[in-house]
Amino acid sequence: KQEVTQIPAALSVPEGENLVLNCSFTDSAIYNLQWFRQDPGKGLTSLLLIQSSQREQTSGRLNASLDKSSGRSTLYIAASQPGDSATYLCAVPSQGGSEKLVFGKGTKLTVNP
Amino acid sequence: KAGVTQTPRYLIKTRGQQVTLSCSPISGHRSVSWYQQTPGQGLQFLFEYFSETQRNKGNFPGRFSGRQFSNSRSEMNVSTLELGDSALYLCASFRGAGDPNEQFFGPGTRLTVL
Repeated sequence: KQEVTQIPAALSVPEGENLVLNCSFTDSAIYNLQWFRQDPGKGLTSLLLIQSSQREQTSGRLNASLDKSSGRSTLYIAASQPGDSATYLCAVPSQGGSEKLVFGKGTKLTVNP
Repeated sequence: KAGVTQTPRYLIKTRGQQVTLSCSPISGHRSVSWYQQTPGQGLQFLFEYFSETQRNKGNFPGRFSGRQFSNSRSEMNVSTLELGDSALYLCASFRGAGDPNEQFFGPGTRLTVL
């Protein structure tokens, strides 16, 4: 059974800092991993999708890496801003070929001005 | 291109009532999944539909049901509401089964059961 863990559960940083959010998963037979952002009371916004054949994906100040063999992904946020404050969730398919996503509990990020 | 829409955005019901939530996927997407999000359990998978067929179902009681129409719009129904059904219900839209699919979520329906 696929399980996803995100560490830390919460993170508070000053504006301008570079930071790393971690995601680990138990079953490495995944074909992609997706990072989402969720603002309080809102839906999920897709940030990055990494295919199993890729090791990295970048969008603006965000860079996500994937190491299937170790069951880990990291989301790197450069030059953080107060607008980056949100909960960040990673998700993987529950088993090969399934579209059902298994989510971590998320990392709640606060960027202080 | 319009995103995923969910209606209604907010609902207040009492125990024992039933409720129907609606989701319209992104144009061209044929698959819809539903998730329940609560503070204690996080995001939990309810069901997945592709071309009007339920492909996967999560571990929820039979009070939770869903369907998908020929235009890919989907509805989920919860009967005999319980206090524990209070949650944010999220719908995800994606192109279709068999491809590595990026999933796009709607704004959710906030259901409160009194």
